[in-house]
Amino acid sequence: NAGVTQTPKFRILKIGQSMTLQCTQDMNHNYMYWYRQDPGMGLKLIYYSVGAGITDKGEVPNGYNVSRSTTEDFPLRLELAAPSQTSVYFCASNGRGSSYNEQFFGPGTRLTVL
Amino acid sequence: EDQVTQSPEALRLQEGESSSLNCSYTVSGLRGLFWYRQDPGKGPEFLFTLYSAGEEKEKERLKATLTKKESFLHITAPKPEDSATYLCAVRDTGNQFYFGTGTSLTVIP
Repeated sequence: NAGVTQTPKFRILKIGQSMTLQCTQDMNHNYMYWYRQDPGMGLKLIYYSVGAGITDKGEVPNGYNVSRSTTEDFPLRLELAAPSQTSVYFCASNGRGSSYNEQFFGPGTRLTVL
Repeated sequence: EDQVTQSPEALRLQEGESSSLNCSYTVSGLRGLFWYRQDPGKGPEFLFTLYSAGEEKEKERLKATLTKKESFLHITAPKPEDSATYLCAVRDTGNQFYFGTGTSLTVIP
């Protein structure tokens, strides 16, 4: 199993551009999450999904959109990128039952908006 | 408001020098407290989940404990390979996760 994969690893955007961060998991997990991590600020939850077709806002959703059309994929869309969205983005997933609270994280996408 | 505070921000230990990391929290209905390890440039790696006061979990040189207001991550006889940032998080009844800012641990040979 590859676990949770994210693409791209790095990206530089200009202000106002848009992009999609990709996240895929091959563990058949129902739950998926997007976080951002800023220096000294800890991880902040952006959006999460409890299953295909279901998404909900986290602590810092403004400026982002998500969709969940399949169990495996949970892309994060940035519209009209702003310098405040410069951050490292992590996708995570967990299953049900005994693995409900064990989150698996991807390697991250480092995004810079100039 | 749900909140997680970790201390100290940074900790330097000599190899073999045991110590503890602290995580204090306020949450509306605790559905779990989590410890993760994060190496530079990588995503967090799950270590433990604790659910109720008095619970303890161990893994190699690490032991996590939980009270009603805080959790401790005890590191016994650490080795240089234990150097990393240790993150604490809580999950509330609304399925939201809240992370602390982490403790950066350096173990000197």
